[in-house]
Amino acid sequence: EAGVAQSPRYKIIEKRQSVAFWCNPISGHATLYWYQQILGQGPKLLIQFQNNGVVDDSQLPKDRFSAERLKGVDSTLKIQPAKLEDSAVYLCASSLVFYTQYFGPGTRLTVL
Amino acid sequence: AQSVTQLDSQVPVFEEAPVELRCNYSSSVSVYLFWYVQYPNQGLQLLLKYLSGSTLVKGINGFEAEFNKSQTSFHLRKPSVHISDTAEYFCAVSVNSGNTPLVFGKGTRLSVIA
Repeated sequence: EAGVAQSPRYKIIEKRQSVAFWCNPISGHATLYWYQQILGQGPKLLIQFQNNGVVDDSQLPKDRFSAERLKGVDSTLKIQPAKLEDSAVYLCASSLVFYTQYFGPGTRLTVL
Repeated sequence: AQSVTQLDSQVPVFEEAPVELRCNYSSSVSVYLFWYVQYPNQGLQLLLKYLSGSTLVKGINGFEAEFNKSQTSFHLRKPSVHISDTAEYFCAVSVNSGNTPLVFGKGTRLSVIA
């Protein structure tokens, strides 16, 4: 069974530029999560989807971050414009049953 | 709201020695508990989980954890570590009702010394 796929693995941009990350969850997983992991900290939830509907986006900085999940499968997370403090690893996870999440390898973003 | 405290940010241990990584949580409702491992430049891999039943949970790679409700703890143990266990370990909690996200601790860096 293929795992959660993410791309790109690494991205370097300058502040005020835009960036997008892509996630393909495990086939059949209805729930998809985006987490932000700042260096030295644990992952923090940004947004949770159930199929293509948003369940929780209370910690998403909506002035600059946006996310969508078209057709309830793939998802994209966008940052526009990026700030220095957005430098982090962005992790995508998916789950079939509600208590076991499977994580992708992450996208490491560096904002200069 | 739930929170997780991992009491040690770094734990150095010699190869073949036992190790315990400590985790305490705070929640006003019943929770599920998890330990994840993160190797360099990789995502998180589930080590083990406590959902219900026996408080001693066995996971992959020889790790186990014990749920202690009165102490609100979920410490991770391994009787004999290997160099390959060097990684970052995260304790996480979720509310045991519905499809809720994980709340993570800050992580413990386990360094196994040859």
